[in-house]
Amino acid sequence: NAGVTQTPKFRILKIGQSMTLQCTQDMNHNYMYWYRQDPGMGLKLIYYSVGAGITDKGEVPNGYNVSRSTTEDFPLRLELAAPSQTSVYFCASSPDRVGEKLFFGSGTQLSVL
Amino acid sequence: GQQLNQSPQSMFIQEGEDVSMNCTSSSIFNTWLWYKQDPGEGPVLLIALYKAGELTSNGRLTAQFGITRKDSFLNISASIPSDVGIFFCAWQLIQGYGGSQGNLIFGKGTKLSVKP
Repeated sequence: NAGVTQTPKFRILKIGQSMTLQCTQDMNHNYMYWYRQDPGMGLKLIYYSVGAGITDKGEVPNGYNVSRSTTEDFPLRLELAAPSQTSVYFCASSPDRVGEKLFFGSGTQLSVL
Repeated sequence: GQQLNQSPQSMFIQEGEDVSMNCTSSSIFNTWLWYKQDPGEGPVLLIALYKAGELTSNGRLTAQFGITRKDSFLNISASIPSDVGIFFCAWQLIQGYGGSQGNLIFGKGTKLSVKP
């Protein structure tokens, strides 16, 4: 039972490069989320999705884009990487509408130099 | 926005000691959650609290939802080395108070270190 799988685990980007962080879940959850974690700052919601084809902005969406073409996959796209996007990114899913019982992936550590 | 405080920021304790940490807010919440993040992993839900005054246990962990609905406490008894990690409290915003669907607000975390 894989749960939430994120790839890659680590990545270094140059300023201005683009990349896609992959996230897939095998629990058939409708609700999926992307968070970023900066040292000592907790987790901030970037984007979320309540089902295939439906996405919405969270607290810190600037510089990111998402899509949700299937229930399983929720990729996060960085178009023009900036040093401020250096962070650890977590994808999560939940089985119910209120989203309190989040199941997290193991994270992607991204450095933008 | 809401003022959220989690304390202490970090703790260094000896194996076998009890641990206590808390979260306070300037706003009222209808759900308090406690998550733990092991090093190099994503957070995992430990305890969920839904009613003011509620006291819930999960093994050596006990959490309470404050009566005022503005605070919550987490206690760990007889700590062991695998308790090392970051403990986060999180809040489910009440509908109509500016929360987007499924948006949990996380505290900044309490980093726990346990010396064997």
